[in-house]
Amino acid sequence: EVQLVESGGGLVQPGGSLRLSCAASGFTVSSNYMSWVRQAPGKGLEWVSVIYSGGSTYYADSVKGRFTISRDNSKNTLYLQMNSLRAEDTAVYYCARGMYYYGSGRNYYYMDVWGKGTTVTVSS
Amino acid sequence: DIQMTQSPSSLSASVGDRVTITCRASQGISNSLAWYQQKPGKAPKLLLYAASRLESGVPSRFSGSGSGTDYTLTISSLQPEDFATYYCQQYYSTPPTFGGGTKVEIK
Repeated sequence: EVQLVESGGGLVQPGGSLRLSCAASGFTVSSNYMSWVRQAPGKGLEWVSVIYSGGSTYYADSVKGRFTISRDNSKNTLYLQMNSLRAEDTAVYYCARGMYYYGSGRNYYYMDVWGKGTTVTVSS
Repeated sequence: DIQMTQSPSSLSASVGDRVTITCRASQGISNSLAWYQQKPGKAPKLLLYAASRLESGVPSRFSGSGSGTDYTLTISSLQPEDFATYYCQQYYSTPPTFGGGTKVEIK
């Protein structure tokens, strides 16, 4: 069974750091497009970051320079290192696997499997 | 960034009703659109991708259509388990962006 389990959330003071983990089972993280998506309390979904199978990474402008996405192939785990945290980073953080299909000369990636999420609260 | 505008933001419907939710992109996205269902306290669940392709295991009462900038999610006969919030998301370009959500409530 394909499964994603996030961990590492918690309460942190503004300016602090936290590392989120996303343990995968049933598939290989390094062979897939993997994303982090967050949801602030009572708000909608916001994409945060992605790492492609080839290793390329991209970030939302709101976290660029503060967050780093990475993976450990030996542990089949995705990470999100979050530094210089702000109150507006408070959210449930989900990891998601990307599937793709080919069309019109390129690949299209969509998120098919999501973890249950881990809660990050940034507050003094 | 591509902006995704969903409407309505909420609706009230009865079991058995036909429900339609629309999503408009700020530019053409070539059917690179997914629909998700989210229940309170739960992770989003993929319903459709490529605008109209049903994800495995999703009931056939869910369908999607559209092209260019305008897309629609239709629930043909609303069931009790369908009361939730629905999000559209474009994956045509990075960053992928979500609509604001449509909350489907019981009338």
